[in-house]
Amino acid sequence: EVQLVQSGAEVKKPGESLRISCKGSGYSFTGYWITWVRQMPGKGLEWMGRIDPSDSYSNYSPSFQGHVTFSADKPINTAYLQWSSLQASDTAMYYCVRQGTTWSDYWGQGTLVTVSS
Amino acid sequence: QTVVTQEPSLTVSPGGTVTLTCASSTGAVTSGNYPNWFQQKPGQAPRALIYSTNNKHSWTPARFSGSLLGGKAALTLSGVQPEDEAEYYCLLYYGGAQVFGTGTKVTVL
Repeated sequence: EVQLVQSGAEVKKPGESLRISCKGSGYSFTGYWITWVRQMPGKGLEWMGRIDPSDSYSNYSPSFQGHVTFSADKPINTAYLQWSSLQASDTAMYYCVRQGTTWSDYWGQGTLVTVSS
Repeated sequence: QTVVTQEPSLTVSPGGTVTLTCASSTGAVTSGNYPNWFQQKPGQAPRALIYSTNNKHSWTPARFSGSLLGGKAALTLSGVQPEDEAEYYCLLYYGGAQVFGTGTKVTVL
């Protein structure tokens, strides 16, 4: 069974760093992209970008380029989304999604990030 | 910045049919944008329904279908069930980038 399991909710202060994770199981982790999606409270879905876990090649949406970093650890089938300096506007639910060439299928359960002083 | 636009809300009666559309600010949506559709219910992660315009995942109910219609991607729900009440999002591919639509809230009433 394909699963993407994300790390738990986080509460951080502005300026702090954070890394959240997404662990894949039940499939070849390096055979599919991992896409990251943001959903701010009460708002729609936003495509942040994606990473190829086989070589860590990444595409970033212009809206997120330079503010977040994707990474992957192949031996443990885990992808990461990282911030070096959080802002209050980063408060949102973040999802990881398995992606093939022209499709996305399995979603993680989401990680809620709250940034507040 | 590319904008993908959907109807904000639609209402349909149980057993009825409703069509949602997905338009691109860059022009007509084509099969090369590989339209994907997702359903999200309150408090839940989204669920994939349709990929590459009209292909269903193994779990997608038969009453959901995808197409291209008048330069837009479309998702049609036929024989709507109460459990279809949800937010629906399209996703379009633009080369290496992708953009979600603004979302359509479907109410079954």
